[in-house]
Amino acid sequence: KQEVTQIPAALSVPEGENLVLNCSFTDSAIYNLQWFRQDPGKGLTSLLLIQSSQREQTSGRLNASLDKSSGRSTLYIAASQPGDSATYLCAVPSDSWGKFQFGAGTQVVVTP
Amino acid sequence: GAGVSQSPSNKVTEKGKDVELRCDPISGHTALYWYRQRLGQGLEFLIYFQGNSAPDKSGLPSDRFSAERTGESVSTLTIQRTQQEDSAVYLCASSPQINYGYTFGSGTRLTVV
Repeated sequence: KQEVTQIPAALSVPEGENLVLNCSFTDSAIYNLQWFRQDPGKGLTSLLLIQSSQREQTSGRLNASLDKSSGRSTLYIAASQPGDSATYLCAVPSDSWGKFQFGAGTQVVVTP
Repeated sequence: GAGVSQSPSNKVTEKGKDVELRCDPISGHTALYWYRQRLGQGLEFLIYFQGNSAPDKSGLPSDRFSAERTGESVSTLTIQRTQQEDSAVYLCASSPQINYGYTFGSGTRLTVV
């Protein structure tokens, strides 16, 4: 059974610092990995989707890496802003039909 | 439509009543997923549909929960005889095909009083 762990559970940084969020998974036979952002009381917004053949994906200040062999992904957010405050979730397929298993998330607070 | 649409956005119901939640996926998306998120908790898989294949109902917590989807269109999640423990945000996601990533709706916040 696929298990997903996110470390740390919570993170507080001053504005301008870079953020590093970690995600590990137990079954490396994945098709892809997706990072999401969730604001309080809201749904999930997709940030980046990395296919298994890729080692990283970039979008603006966000960069996500994927190391399938070690079962790890890292989300980097450069030059953090207060608007980056949210919970960040990673998800990987838990079966061949694309059903995702989610990590518990990292709650990020960026202070002005 | 442009995104995944869920309705209602909020629902307050009395214990014991039935509720129906609706999800309208992105046009052309063959896969549709329902998740539940209790307050302060992670996402809990409920059910998913892929085209005309038999749905994966392995996450439904009890026989009070059921879901339908006709073809590749709207899905409804029905909870019968609601209990306070059913209070949660119910999230729907769709995907153009399996293993292609999810797009989520904004969710339905269900409160059972």
